[in-house]
Amino acid sequence: AQSVTQLGSHVSVSEGALVLLRCNYSSSVPPYLFWYVQYPNQGLQLLLKYTTGATLVKGINGFEAEFKKSETSFHLTKPSAHMSDAAEYFCAVSVAGANNLFFGTGTRLTVIP
Amino acid sequence: EAQVTQNPRYLITVTGKKLTVTCSQNMNHEYMSWYRQDPGLGLRQIYYSMNVEVTDKGDVPEGYKVSRKEKRNFPLILESPSPNQTSLYFCASSLIRGGGETQYFGPGTRLLVL
Repeated sequence: AQSVTQLGSHVSVSEGALVLLRCNYSSSVPPYLFWYVQYPNQGLQLLLKYTTGATLVKGINGFEAEFKKSETSFHLTKPSAHMSDAAEYFCAVSVAGANNLFFGTGTRLTVIP
Repeated sequence: EAQVTQNPRYLITVTGKKLTVTCSQNMNHEYMSWYRQDPGLGLRQIYYSMNVEVTDKGDVPEGYKVSRKEKRNFPLILESPSPNQTSLYFCASSLIRGGGETQYFGPGTRLLVL
């Protein structure tokens, strides 16, 4: 079975500072990895995903994540936080042939002006 | 506009009163699923459907039913709701079932069972 651990249920950063949201996964077979963002009172929106190929994945709104197999990690970063980045972020894992996504418990990002 | 819609968005009901939450997608997706989101637990899958008339249980199916009579619709049915089903529910769809497929989520339905 697959699982995801997100370190830190709440993260606060100053506007303009680096955003780093941590995600570690567990999977016995090659994983597919996702980051979704949830703005208040909205559904989840895909930020980026890793399936195969290049391990550094670029997504929307300036976010990127790097798949590191040796560390079983898929951390999400953004060089400079913006107020509009305040939201909840979910890391998720799946594998070939799977029927669903396994989500982490989420990290709420607060951006301080 | 490509989207997944859910209705209602908010619902307050009482224990035992049957309810249905509708889900519809306009992207001709084969795969649809329902998740519930609870604080500290993330999202957990309730049921999924790989195509019309093909449904199966997810991780937390107890107390729920689904049907898939048409490709675009995937309603979630609570025959006898209980307070532990108070939650935020999301419908999602993807083109096909597959680990790397992007799932598109509806806006959510917040349910309170008294």
